[in-house]
Amino acid sequence: EVQLGQSGAEVKRPGSTVTISCKVSGDTLRDYYLHWVQQSPGKGLEWMGLIDPEDGETFYAEKFQGRVNIIADTSRDTAYMELSSLRSEDTAVYFCAISERPAVVPGEYWGQGTVVTVSS
Amino acid sequence: QSVLTQPPSASGTPGQRVTISCSGSSSNVGTDTLNWYQQLPGTAPKLLIYKNNQRPSGVPDRFSGSKSGTSASLAISGLQSEDEADYYCAAWDDSLNGAVFGGGTKLTVL
Repeated sequence: EVQLGQSGAEVKRPGSTVTISCKVSGDTLRDYYLHWVQQSPGKGLEWMGLIDPEDGETFYAEKFQGRVNIIADTSRDTAYMELSSLRSEDTAVYFCAISERPAVVPGEYWGQGTVVTVSS
Repeated sequence: QSVLTQPPSASGTPGQRVTISCSGSSSNVGTDTLNWYQQLPGTAPKLLIYKNNQRPSGVPDRFSGSKSGTSASLAISGLQSEDEADYYCAAWDDSLNGAVFGGGTKLTVL
């Protein structure tokens, strides 16, 4: 069974950068698109971007363009999401999810979520 | 303001049938397939429906999806207390070149 395991909770200062990892087990990262989704406290789901691990091509939501970077290490079946210039509004739970090609919307398998708190 | 529009809330009594709508445009719902997710408090979203009307293995057939033009619906029949959750639709948007979610619908089982 495919599972996605995310790194632990983070507390960050405003202006800093957070990096969250997402490891795929039970299958190969290359076989999927890998997505990141933000959920602010009490709010809905917001798609941040995706990466095609085969060639590293990325697509980012306009809201996060310039501050987000998604990379994939296929040798470790692990993807990373870097969010820079953090502000209080970035306090949220961040989920990774995969979709089976050619689907480009998050599918059946999700990580457990990583809580990021931005506070001075 | 979400690109896909859902009602903020819906409700029903046990055993009833409820529907949740998701309205988009020709660049997303109108041209691409749609997924539906269920999210219980404090948990990751769970895929309920993919490709407009397909159920992943393990999802009860009480859940069904449909799409017509730029609108889609999720129907839940035989409503149960454990169906009380937030529900989201999602699709790819060709104009934005990215995926978009609806704002979510909080379903209350009375």
